[in-house]
Amino acid sequence: ELKVEQNPLFLSMQEGKNYTIYCNYSTTSDRLYWYRQDPGKSLESLFVLLSNGAVKQEGRLMASLDTKARLSTLHITAAVHDLSATYFCAVDSQGAQKLVFGQGTRLTINP
Amino acid sequence: DTEVTQTPKHLVMGMTNKKSLKCEQHMGHRAMYWYKQKAKKPPELMFVYSYEKLSINESVPSRFSPECPNSSLLNLHLHALQPEDSALYLCASSQPRQGVASAKQFFGPGTRLTVL
Repeated sequence: ELKVEQNPLFLSMQEGKNYTIYCNYSTTSDRLYWYRQDPGKSLESLFVLLSNGAVKQEGRLMASLDTKARLSTLHITAAVHDLSATYFCAVDSQGAQKLVFGQGTRLTINP
Repeated sequence: DTEVTQTPKHLVMGMTNKKSLKCEQHMGHRAMYWYKQKAKKPPELMFVYSYEKLSINESVPSRFSPECPNSSLLNLHLHALQPEDSALYLCASSQPRQGVASAKQFFGPGTRLTVL
């Protein structure tokens, strides 16, 4: 059974600092997704990572995938308050057409 | 149009009521999904439709009944729900996984359901 674990689950940081969220998964998969969710809102797609070594960047966020280590990272550079949200990674369960989500990381960025 | 719409936005119902949630997309996606999300938790998959056929039912109680009338519409019929069924219900759509590189799921805004 595919399990997805994120850490940390809670992250409070100051504006301008850098930090990384980690996403580990338990079985082979070739697709990993990062989503953002604001309180009471739906999920917004951030990145789709499809192959080993894939790196995607959008603004202050950068995501990478290491399929051999079964690890993805979401790196935040010079954080700003607007990035405060809950971030989920989700892994495609091969052959089953279902996403398994991590627990989510609740990120709070303080001025 | 890269949007998934859901109605209603909010729904309050009693345990004896029957209601339906609706989801629509016009992106030509042939896979559609229902998720349930409790507060401060990740979404949990309930059902998957692929080419209008139910392909995954994650052992959801029969008081939840999905329906996919056509490739653009997805309904979730609710009957005799319990208070613990109160949650945010999210619909999503994507291309089916087979033969498609990304199969990224696009999520709707959700229906916040309260069962009294």
